[in-house]
Amino acid sequence: GAGVSQSPSNKVTEKGKDVELRCDPISGHTALYWYRQSLGQGLEFLIYFQGNSAPDKSGLPSDRFSAERTGGSVSTLTIQRTQQEDSAVYLCASSSLDRAAYGYTFGSGTRLTVV
Amino acid sequence: DAKTTQPPSMDCAEGRAANLPCNHSTISGNEYVYWYRQIHSQGPQYIIHGLKNNETNEMASLIITEDRKSSTLILPHATLRDTAVYYCIVRPAPNDYKLSFGAGTTVTVRA
Repeated sequence: GAGVSQSPSNKVTEKGKDVELRCDPISGHTALYWYRQSLGQGLEFLIYFQGNSAPDKSGLPSDRFSAERTGGSVSTLTIQRTQQEDSAVYLCASSSLDRAAYGYTFGSGTRLTVV
Repeated sequence: DAKTTQPPSMDCAEGRAANLPCNHSTISGNEYVYWYRQIHSQGPQYIIHGLKNNETNEMASLIITEDRKSSTLILPHATLRDTAVYYCIVRPAPNDYKLSFGAGTTVTVRA
């Protein structure tokens, strides 16, 4: 597609429920990143996928968070047993490896609210 | 990674140049300076980056001091659509993916 697409754009969930957030990167981009941005805060790195390599999961805040990328394209970020502190905007970005120096293309994010 | 310091906010008149400062006094020799901006309800958008030399593209110019301890992002003719939070980031290498965004500078362009 023309840009990075994320869905849903907004998600309200009850504490304790599981949620899945989806990211469609730009076609042909081999690198995909998940970040989260809490209200009034900067971005926090979560996870990085590059081609067929093992993902860098070092930014995931707890074992309730997981992500996968199927077929080297679409990625799903799953949060199990959501907590109120998980409320944030979850941003996905992609880049082609040879263009990574020129920055990433971010999606518009999924605003998650845990009530 | 080197930390950056930016003013929390600044105003700019439409049509005038906006000069956004950033201090990165602990930057090391191989670290790059990147600028992104985030317009309300959107994801961050790459603007420009540089290592030592000044850089210019269709969006902005980046001026890096000779000692590399600070830089200035210049929006040559600010428009209302340039109202956003601007982030200055120091990045160890061009392909380092763990971007660390601070609070940035909230720039408000006024008519």
